[in-house]
Parts: sequence; C-alpha cells; structure tokens
Amino acid sequence: GDSVTQMEGPVTLSEEAFLTINCTYTATGYPSLFWYVQYPGEGLQLLLKATKADDKGSNKGFEATYRKETTSFHLEKGSVQVSDSAVYFCALSDRTGGFKTIFGAGTRLFVKA
Amino acid sequence: EAQVTQNPRYLITVTGKKLTVTCSQNMNHEYMSWYRQDPGLGLRQIYYSMNVEVTDKGDVPEGYKVSRKEKRNFPLILESPSPNQTSLYFCASSPGTGVFGAFFGQGTRLTVV
Repeated sequence: GDSVTQMEGPVTLSEEAFLTINCTYTATGYPSLFWYVQYPGEGLQLLLKATKADDKGSNKGFEATYRKETTSFHLEKGSVQVSDSAVYFCALSDRTGGFKTIFGAGTRLFVKA
Repeated sequence: EAQVTQNPRYLITVTGKKLTVTCSQNMNHEYMSWYRQDPGLGLRQIYYSMNVEVTDKGDVPEGYKVSRKEKRNFPLILESPSPNQTSLYFCASSPGTGVFGAFFGQGTRLTVV
C-alpha cells in the first residue's frame, strides 16, 4: 500500500541555519504531495503542496519539489527562525488508493536563538 | 472566518460509555475526514466522506462510526470506547479530494480509562 517515510527527529538548528527535512513516498498511482505544519496545541496547517512531477510548492520561505524519479518531496528553508519550531508532516493523497490521505510520522524541529 | 470546529476539545470517559465527537465546517467543503494522532505514528485516517451520505473506511476504522447527513457536519462516534482509543483526534475538510490539501480542526484529546 501507499506509504510516507520522513526523517526522524527531533531536528535542532540555530537561527538562520539551512533546513532540510527528508520525505520519500511509495504510491501505486500519481499522488499529490503535501507538507503540513503543527504548532504546539494546534491542528495541522497546510504549508505547501505539489500535484505533479517536477512541481515546486513554496510558502513562507519553505520549498519542496516533487521528484518522481526519486519518489521524494524534501522540505527546505534557507534560513530558519525560532518561530519555525513545530512538527512537520509530509503527506500524500492518491486517487488510486481510494482518496485516502497518508501521513508520515512527523519531524519535530527546534530552532534556537 | 473559515474554520473547522470540533467539540469537545478535551474528554475523559470510561470504558464502554458511548460518546460522540462533533465536527462542523463552514466552507461548504465536500470532503471531510477523521484522523487520530499517536506519538511516533503520525496521523492515521479513520474514516472519510466525499459527500453527503457517502462515507468510506480509512486505515484504522475499527471501533469507530461516522455519519454524514448534512454537508457541514461529520460526527465521530465511539459506541464502546476502549483504552486503546485514547488519542488526539482531528477532523479535516477540503473542497475536493487529492489536490487541494485540507483544513484541520483544533483537535480533541480523548482519554478512555
């Protein structure tokens, strides 16, 4: 079945450091890919998305490119801030899989001042 | 304000006592879904609905029921809760399936003793 694998956390960075959170997926069809962010005590918020190969999603300085050849959707940000501290989830939605949405386990990011 | 509203936010109950967690969205979205979030497991989909009177199982439906009698509401019913259903539950909605991403509620923390 479909699955999403994220790098384990926590990831601890200093402010202004470069961020990469790895995400790879397996899917039977052609999924749409998403990154969500969860701040403490809150629900998930959609951060960015990509719906086909080579699409780049971007928002708030975060970027991720849909790489079909490597089945990856890594999240990057050039300069993190303390306010980026949160849990980040990679997810896919695949019509072939019956419109289910599959989430990764989440990666907690801590950014130190 | 566009939102997904869950109630209650916190609930402690005893094994076997039926309960309902309500979910309502004000965005006229067709697609609604319930997830549970457990440490190290990310979010797992319990049930989803593609429109009124149309529901389908996600990955972990055992022990749960749902209904979709109106477009805006998607309650989650636990007929006989057990301690292994202690979890953080999220309701989500989106305008369609696959490509849109989802809006999430604030979550319901359920403890079954």
